[in-house]
Amino acid sequence: VQLVESGGGLVQPGGSLRLSCEASGFTFSAYEMAWVRQAPGKGLEWLSFVSTGGGTRHYADSVKGRFTISRDNGRNSLFLQMNSLRIEDTAIYYCAREDSTEGPYSGSPPYQYMDVWGKGTTVIVSS
Amino acid sequence: DIQMTQSPSSLSASVGDRVAITCRASQSIGTYLNWYQQRPGKAPKLLIYAASSLQFDVSSRFSGSGSGTDFTLTITSLQPEDFATYYCQQSYSPLYSFGQGTKLEIK
Repeated sequence: VQLVESGGGLVQPGGSLRLSCEASGFTFSAYEMAWVRQAPGKGLEWLSFVSTGGGTRHYADSVKGRFTISRDNGRNSLFLQMNSLRIEDTAIYYCAREDSTEGPYSGSPPYQYMDVWGKGTTVIVSS
Repeated sequence: DIQMTQSPSSLSASVGDRVAITCRASQSIGTYLNWYQQRPGKAPKLLIYAASSLQFDVSSRFSGSGSGTDFTLTITSLQPEDFATYYCQQSYSPLYSFGQGTKLEIK
C-alpha cells in the first residue's frame, strides 16, 4: 500500500502548480482521499477531501476558490490544482487515504481517518 | 469551523515515563477524534481513531479516551521512538481540523 506525490517545485506568487498522487497496492476507487499540508516548522493543515467517485469535494477556507481537488480512478491518481499561489502556500503537501468504520449508533456518520500517507512533495512560492 | 486546541504544546519526559496529551474541541464532536504521530522529516502516522480505537500496527502503549469536547492520548512506558510530535484531528465536521501539535522531547 503506497502513495507517491509529485509535482512540487518553485513557483512565483500568483502562479499555478498541479500536484499528483499515485496510489498502488489497494483499490484506489474504493477510498475517499485527502490533501494535507505542513508549512515549514508548523503543524498539519487539512486542505481538501474528495469522495470515491469525485462528486463530493470539501475545502479548507484557506484554499477554497484557489485549489481544486480531483481524481482519476482509471489511473489510480489524485490531483490538486493550485492557482493564485501565495507565499503562505509554501509547504510540504501530503496526500492521504481515508478509511472509515461504522459510527457509534445506527444511522450516525461513519468514523473517518487518514490511515495511509505519502511522503509528501514540497511547494515553494517565492519571487 | 471547529477549533482543536492541544495542551501542552511541548512536553519533556524520560524513557519509561507515562505521559498524557490533551485535546479540546471548540464544540462537541462526539468521539470523532483521531490521533497521529509525526517523527521529524516523516509523514504523519495514524495512532488512534474514533477517540479510543487503536490502529492495527500501533503499540498497545498508546491509548485514547474522551468524548464530547475533551480527549486524551496516553503513552505508557515511553520508548526512544515515541519522542515525536502528536496531533489530534476531528472528523465530526466535513471540514476537518488538526490541533496545533504537542512536541514530546527527551528530558
